Amino acid sequence: EDQVTQSPEALRLQEGESSSLNCSYTVSGLRGLFWYRQDPGKGPEFLFTLYSAGEEKEKERLKATLTKKESFLHITAPKPEDSATYLCAVRGGGNTGKLIFGQGTTLQVKP
Amino acid sequence: NAGVTQTPKFQVLKTGQSMTLQCAQDMNHEYMSWYRQDPGMGLRLIHYSVGAGITDQGEVPNGYNVSRSTTEDFPLRLLSAAPSQTSVYFCASSWNTEAFFGQGTRLTVV
Repeated sequence: EDQVTQSPEALRLQEGESSSLNCSYTVSGLRGLFWYRQDPGKGPEFLFTLYSAGEEKEKERLKATLTKKESFLHITAPKPEDSATYLCAVRGGGNTGKLIFGQGTTLQVKP
Repeated sequence: NAGVTQTPKFQVLKTGQSMTLQCAQDMNHEYMSWYRQDPGMGLRLIHYSVGAGITDQGEVPNGYNVSRSTTEDFPLRLLSAAPSQTSVYFCASSWNTEAFFGQGTRLTVV
């Protein structure tokens, strides 16, 4: 059964304190691992897609990496505006397009 | 550039009432889906569709119905609302890559 587990559930950082969020997954035939950002009261907003082990994507202070079992979202020198819930999802084999989500990591960055 | 539009944004229902959550997309995406989001549970798939006339069940389909008569619209029906259906509902659409989400419908069943 396809499964996604994110850790930690919550993370508090001081502004400028770099850290990483983890997404562990089991899926048959990975057809994409997705990172989303979700602000309170809003829908998830797409950040990155990774398709194969070793792949990396960057956007401003965020960098996503992928191995065969997990993905990391590295946050370098975070700012308070990076505070949000970060969601990880996988798309497995077949042609259904289904996304399986983890529970998310809620990040709070204090000034 | 509307993307995915959900209505209503907020709704309060009494137990046993029925209602339809609307979802429309203007990106000509074949794949659409409905999720519910509860504290500590993440996003759970309710129903999905791979194209007009084709729907299938997700992880938590009980108590919900869907239909897909056009590419653009994918309504979610609650036949007889129960307090356990109190949640935030998100509609999403995609073609072959990332999914785009609506802003959500916050539903309370009393």
